This record gives sequence, structure tokens and C-alpha cells, in this order.
Amino acid sequence: DVKVTQSSRYLVKRTGEKVFLECVQDMDHENMFWYRQDPGLGLRLIYFSYDVKMKEKGDIPEGYSVSREKKERFSLILESASTNQTSMYLCASSSTGETEAFFGQGTRLTVV
Amino acid sequence: QKEVEQDPGPLSVPEGAIVSLNCTYSNSAFQYFMWYRQYSRKGPELLMYTYSSGNKEDGRFTAQVDKSSKYISLFIRDSQPSDSATYLCAKGKAAGNKLTFGGGTRVLVKP
Repeated sequence: DVKVTQSSRYLVKRTGEKVFLECVQDMDHENMFWYRQDPGLGLRLIYFSYDVKMKEKGDIPEGYSVSREKKERFSLILESASTNQTSMYLCASSSTGETEAFFGQGTRLTVV
Repeated sequence: QKEVEQDPGPLSVPEGAIVSLNCTYSNSAFQYFMWYRQYSRKGPELLMYTYSSGNKEDGRFTAQVDKSSKYISLFIRDSQPSDSATYLCAKGKAAGNKLTFGGGTRVLVKP
């Protein structure tokens, strides 16, 4: 059974904190993605990576960074959390040439 | 204008009815069109995809893409309460690549 696992289901952090969201996939996928999901806006791409140590900006990268040191792990970093980063964060992975992207269960982050 | 537009709903139908979902998109440089289903407090799961234009059928589900009008549709026949979920349309340039999503339509099928 394919799996994308996000380290936390729920997180509450304070404004200004540095926040790490971790994602691990066990399918040996080359591609990994971080999206955020907000009501009425759907999923918006923050960052993605097509290979280890590679990263590319998505549509809304401001205030975020990422790290991919190993193929199976893709981390999203909020350098200084702000209340407008309160959202559902979804990690996904896919294999080049295969259509389906597999999603984790999401992390609901609240910044207070 | 968003790249993919989708009516947020909610769309409420009685059990057994046909559910009709639509999206429009603004950029033609995409070949893959998908529908993801998302249950409450879960991540999205791929329901169906279509490559380029045309129809695709899978059981009770039919996906249609009309590239000339930039329209994506999903039809659910004989809807069931278990079909109650948020349906997200998405497009991608190549298999495995990043996706652009619509806002999602919440569907409620009442017994």
C-alpha cells in the first residue's frame, strides 16, 4: 500500500516561530510537492522537487523554504510563522511518467 | 483570473441522482486533466484522469474534456451517500508533473 506520511495532523505555533513540516514517502518517487489548501482557493503549490537536493518555486513560495536531502523526505520550513500561514498543508509525491500524485493526510497548522 | 475555475457548491442531490461537476481553465498548454476526490479530514485521491480531449468512463464515473471550449466535466451516475466529498479538478502538462487545481466543489448526496 503506497504511503505518503506527514509528521503531524495538527500543529499550533506562535507568530515568529520557525516551523518544520515533514513528509516521507515510501514509493521511491522522484517528485515531491507541497501544497496549501484554503477554503474556496483549492490547492496552491508552494514548492516542488524533481530530485534530491533540487527544488523549484511554485505559485506561492513567499515565506516558505524547503529541503530535500534524501529522496524519500521533503521538508517544508516556515522561517517565521505568521497568522496568514494558518492553513491545511498537503504533501504529495509522484513518479515521472505516471499520472497519479499521492497525497498525505495533511497537516492543519494554526499560527496564533 | 484563476487558471482553473470551479463552482464551490455545495451541491446537494438525492441518492440515485446524476451529479454533474464542471471546471473551466484558461491556459491551453496542458495535456492531463484530472479529478481528485477528497473526503473530510483526508488528503485528495485520484478519481480519474483524461489525456488531451475526449471522454473516459469508469463504472459510475465519466470524465469529459473539451479543449476547444476549455471545459472539464465529471458526471457521477446513480450517486450514493458515500460519494459525498469535495471534488477537485486539476490539470498538468505531463504525467507526474506539478498540478494546478480548481477550488473544489463540495457534494452532498442525501439518502
